[in-house]
Order: sequence, then C-alpha cells, then structure tokens
Amino acid sequence: AQSVTQLDSQVPVFEEAPVELRCNYSSSVSVYLFWYVQYPNQGLQLLLKYLSGSTLVESINGFEAEFNKSQTSFHLRKPSVHISDTAEYFCAVSENTGNQFYFGTGTSLTVIP
Amino acid sequence: KAGVTQTPRYLIKTRGQQVTLSCSPISGHRSVSWYQQTPGQGLQFLFEYFSETQRNKGNFPGRFSGRQFSNSRSEMNVSTLELGDSALYLCASSFGAGVNYGYTFGSGTRLTVV
Repeated sequence: AQSVTQLDSQVPVFEEAPVELRCNYSSSVSVYLFWYVQYPNQGLQLLLKYLSGSTLVESINGFEAEFNKSQTSFHLRKPSVHISDTAEYFCAVSENTGNQFYFGTGTSLTVIP
Repeated sequence: KAGVTQTPRYLIKTRGQQVTLSCSPISGHRSVSWYQQTPGQGLQFLFEYFSETQRNKGNFPGRFSGRQFSNSRSEMNVSTLELGDSALYLCASSFGAGVNYGYTFGSGTRLTVV
C-alpha cells in the first residue's frame, strides 16, 4: 500500500503571493500522481495529473506540479494565488497497475486579501 | 453532459440501522469507485466496480458492501450503522478500469449516524 504525506495541514498566504503545497509518497514502483481540489460541501475536482512524459504538469488555472522521482515528491505550486483558490487540496497516488487512489490528509489553503 | 450524481445528498440515521447510497455515473462510464471521507481518517478507498464486477476492495468491515447494475449505476450499503460511520461518502466514475482513465467525483452523500 502507498503512503502519501502532505506535510502542511494549513497554509495561509496573501493574495497574489506564491504558494507551494508539498506532497511526498512512499513507493519506489511506477506511480501515477494527482492533485485534487475540494471546495466546501463539494466533491473532489481534478486539478492536474502526472501519468508519464514531462515531469512538469500544468493546470488551466495556473497551478503546476513537478514529479521528482528521486525525492518521491509531487509538490504543487502557483506563482500568484487568488481568493478563489481558497480550498482543500489533496495529493493522490496510484500504482500504475492499480485502480485505487491513496490520498494524503489534505492541505487547507487560505488566501488572505 | 451530466456529472456524477449521488443521492441523497444528506442522510441522518440511527445506530444499528442500515443505509443505501446511490451513485449514477457519467453516461458511458463503466467504472465506479467509492471513497469514505472523515476528518480523522481522511479519504479511504471502499471498493471499485467495473462492468458489474467488484475489482478491488479496501480495508473495511463486511458491513460495507456494494454492487453495480447493468446500467453502471452503483449502490453501497452499510448495515448495523455505528457512530464512526458518519462521513462524506464520495462516488467517482471513469470510462475504463484504472485511474489513468481519469475519475470524476460526485458531490457526495453526507451520512450522519446518531
């Protein structure tokens, strides 16, 4: 089984400042990596994913994440956050032969005006 | 295109009762997975169904069961409810079996056991 660690449970950041949400996973086997976002009283929305190819993946709303195999990390970054980015962010891992996600415990991002 | 629909959105049950939650996947999707979300344990995998067959099951007691119908709709059942079963239950659907196909999550059913 995979273990996913999101080191920061809460991250407050001022509007227009950069942010990094950290995610590390345990496995040394080939994996797929995902970031999901959850707004209050809603389900999970896929932000971005890494399946193969370029280690840097981007979302349509300015987030990016980089797969680092040697450090088993998949940190999420955004150069300038907006109020609307306030939400809970979950990192998820799946073995590429598997069919289930292993989720981290989530990071609550609060953007301060 | 309609998203993943979960019904009901909210549910209150008493300890010892049983409950059935429903999930209608996106049209054309044949895989349905269920997850439990609680403040203490986070998001945990319950089970996955593909073409009416359970392909994978998480580490939950036998009180938790599910099934998938020929139209890909899925239900999960929890018998003999305990207070600890209070959670947000999320359903996700995908065209194929395997996370690489991309799962779309529903808004969940919030179950409160009193």
